[in-house]
Amino acid sequence: NAGVTQTPKFRILKIGQSMTLQCTQDMNHNYMYWYRQDPGMGLKLIYYSVGAGITDKGEVPNGYNVSRSTTEDFPLRLELAAPSQTSVYFCASSLTVITDTQYFGPGTRLTVL
Amino acid sequence: LAKTTQPISMDSYEGQEVNITCSHNNIATNDYITWYQQFPSQGPRFIIQGYKTKVTNEVASLFIPADRKSSTLSLPRVSLSDTAVYYCLLLNNAGNMLTFGGGTRLMVKP
Repeated sequence: NAGVTQTPKFRILKIGQSMTLQCTQDMNHNYMYWYRQDPGMGLKLIYYSVGAGITDKGEVPNGYNVSRSTTEDFPLRLELAAPSQTSVYFCASSLTVITDTQYFGPGTRLTVL
Repeated sequence: LAKTTQPISMDSYEGQEVNITCSHNNIATNDYITWYQQFPSQGPRFIIQGYKTKVTNEVASLFIPADRKSSTLSLPRVSLSDTAVYYCLLLNNAGNMLTFGGGTRLMVKP
């Protein structure tokens, strides 16, 4: 199993541009999550999904959108990128409930200039 | 919205036992205490989880007193490769506010 994969690894955006961060898991996990981590800080939950077709907001959802059309994929969409969205983005998945072990991807480092 | 408090940093030497304490005075009945480890430029990795008393696995031990208002992660005989950030979280099945907080930066020295 590849686990949780994320693309791209790095990206530089200009203010106002849009992009989609891709996340795929091959473990047949129902739960998937998107976090952001600012330098020297902990992770903050952006959005999460408990299954295909179901998504919910986390602590910091503003400026982002998600969709979950399949069990495997959970893309994160940034509309109108702002410098405040410069961060490292991590995708994670867990088998069932939130208290199950979360498996994290390698992260996407995004810079907005 | 941080529900846990941990020391910002700790130093240790190879071969020593390291204990990292986390305070969670407002822990809810259905909260599970969970610890993750994060190396630079990597996503966090699960270490251990417990509800009460003591839990031990091949990596660490987790001590939880009866009132559950704190917990202690114990790493036996640390090595240089244990240098990382350690996060204490409270997780429950109704929680959508998963917050990792700042974590504890452990530096293991030769």
